[in-house]
Formats: sequence, C-alpha cells, structure tokens
Amino acid sequence: DGGITQSPKYLFRKEGQNVTLSCEQNLNHDAMYWYRQDPGQGLRLIYYSQIVNDFQKGDIAEGYSVSREKKESFPLTVTSAQKNPTAFYLCASNLDRSSNQPQHFGDGTRLSIL
Amino acid sequence: AQSVAQPEDQVNVAEGNPLTVKCTYSVSGNPYLFWYVQYPNRGLQFLLKYITGDNLVKGSYGFEAEFNKSQTSFHLKKPSALVSDSALYFCAVRDKTGGGNKLTFGTGTQLKVEL
Repeated sequence: DGGITQSPKYLFRKEGQNVTLSCEQNLNHDAMYWYRQDPGQGLRLIYYSQIVNDFQKGDIAEGYSVSREKKESFPLTVTSAQKNPTAFYLCASNLDRSSNQPQHFGDGTRLSIL
Repeated sequence: AQSVAQPEDQVNVAEGNPLTVKCTYSVSGNPYLFWYVQYPNRGLQFLLKYITGDNLVKGSYGFEAEFNKSQTSFHLKKPSALVSDSALYFCAVRDKTGGGNKLTFGTGTQLKVEL
C-alpha cells in the first residue's frame, strides 16, 4: 500500500535538545511538506520541498530545519531555538508543484516537552 | 495572499439530520478548493475537491460541497449525518495562479453528531 509513514508517533524533548521527526513516502511524489497543528489554529506550513536537494521556508520556519537528500524522505529537525515545540506535526506529499491533486498526509508525530 | 475562514468552531447536529460546515475563501485568482477530515491523533484524509466545472462536487462518505463564486464559499454538506461523521473538518484553498502548490487551511470545525 502506498502512503506516508511518520515516526515516531510520540516524541519527548528535553530542554536544549534537538530532535528529528521522520517522514517517508512511497508514492513517488516530488513535493513534500511539513505542517504544525495547534488546537484552534489549523495547520501552519513549516517547510516544503518540491524536488530533491531543494526546499523553501514556509510561514513558521524559525527554529526548524529540514533536508531532502532522497525523493522519498523529508526529515524535520526541531532545534533548541524553537521555544514552543509542543504540537502535532504532520507531513504531507503531492505529485508535483503544479498538481491539482490533493495532498496526502501521514498520521503525525506528537511532540511534547519533558 | 490567500486565506480561508471557517466561522464555526463547532457544529452540533442530530443523527439523520442534514449537516453543513461553512467555508469562505479569498484568493487573487481562481481557486482550487479542498475539504479534509481528521479523526483524533490521525492525519488528514481527503474528502473532495473543486477544480473546475460543476459547482456541486460529490466526495467520499456521502459528502458534497457547493462552490459559489459570487459568495466565495465552499460549504460542506451531507443529507443525513451519522455519529461516525463526528470529527474535525478542514477547508483548504490554493490559488491556481500561484506556484508551489501551497495550501492554506482554515482553523477547522469540530462536527459532533449526536444520537
């Protein structure tokens, strides 16, 4: 079955620690996205990538970093500079930048502060 | 800039009654519009989309939505609600003329269907 796999499902971060959230897709999609979801605020775009070795900042990129070394993988690092990291993080993918097809979502990673 | 408004944080409806979840949008050009549903601790699932053509769009699980260009609305509807429809619903818009396939999401509407 094609889809998006996010891991881990739950993650805890200590003060001053960087943590990395994994996102893998086997849909052969070019575009991948990271969103942050907070109660009552909907989804906010952190970073997106439209092709391997290229990515752009979204609306709330500060305190986060990404890489796109392989088409199927788009990991997100939450750095110690992100002072309020507690949230539900969603990864999504889409065929390509010009597609009118819907984005496909993983089942998320819930990050909490220890 | 593009934006989406979902004016109701929560909608309550009795099982068997029709339901409507409201969405209005703002884009500079023509829109692509989407509805997604989210169950607790899960990702978003696609329900339906409007790209072009008929203003009434039919989607998964008996849901439909009506595109109204003059009112810049894309309300989600279902003729007969089920308890299992209880979930968080998101409307999203993308400007057709924009690049990057960036979606803008509304803040979500919690639907509660009661017996």
